[in-house]
Amino acid sequence: GENVEQHPSTLSVQEGDSAVIKCTYSDSASNYFPWYKQELGKRPQLIIDIRSNVGEKKDQRIAVTLNKTAKHFSLHITETQPEDSAVYFCAASDSRGGGADGLTFGKGTHLIIQP
Amino acid sequence: EPEVTQTPSHQVTQMGQEVILRCVPISNHLYFYWYRQILGQKVEFLVSFYNNEISEKSEIFDDQFSVERPDGSNFTLKIRSTKLEDSAMYFCASSGGSGAGELFFGEGSRLTVL
Repeated sequence: GENVEQHPSTLSVQEGDSAVIKCTYSDSASNYFPWYKQELGKRPQLIIDIRSNVGEKKDQRIAVTLNKTAKHFSLHITETQPEDSAVYFCAASDSRGGGADGLTFGKGTHLIIQP
Repeated sequence: EPEVTQTPSHQVTQMGQEVILRCVPISNHLYFYWYRQILGQKVEFLVSFYNNEISEKSEIFDDQFSVERPDGSNFTLKIRSTKLEDSAMYFCASSGGSGAGELFFGEGSRLTVL
């Protein structure tokens, strides 16, 4: 099955600086890569996703890049703000079965924005 | 905005007891999921459900687990004989489109097994 590795486990950056979180996946059939933000005690919420037919996607301060050959994808947050502090999870999935395929999550990155 | 709802928000049970966690997915969604998150750890896939049957399940989803869609709105997860290691937050999720797509998570049901 799919295996997703995520680094770093904790990332502390100064407010205003950029943050980068990296993930690798093992299953070359995976074609959907979402990123979730989870605040303490709350549900994971989708912040951005990318499909394997695209190399990069951007939404305001958040961007995701995908390298299919190397099987890795990254989350980039620019101009970080205190409200960006949370745990971020990457995930991967394939729709090879044509049905409801579960997401395989990374272990999460605790992002801390220092004021 | 429509959302996935879950009940109960927190359940405490004795080891060996049966537990049913309930979920109401977003009404026009077709795919339903259960995930588990042990405190401080990653979110783990348990099972997906489509067209009234299990589509995929993980190694965690063993014989003590079952899912059901008893009516047109509810989606339940049953744990037959709870163990201490079943203590976790259980998230229900649903998605609308075919294949992989955006998952909408519920607020979660925290299960504590004593």
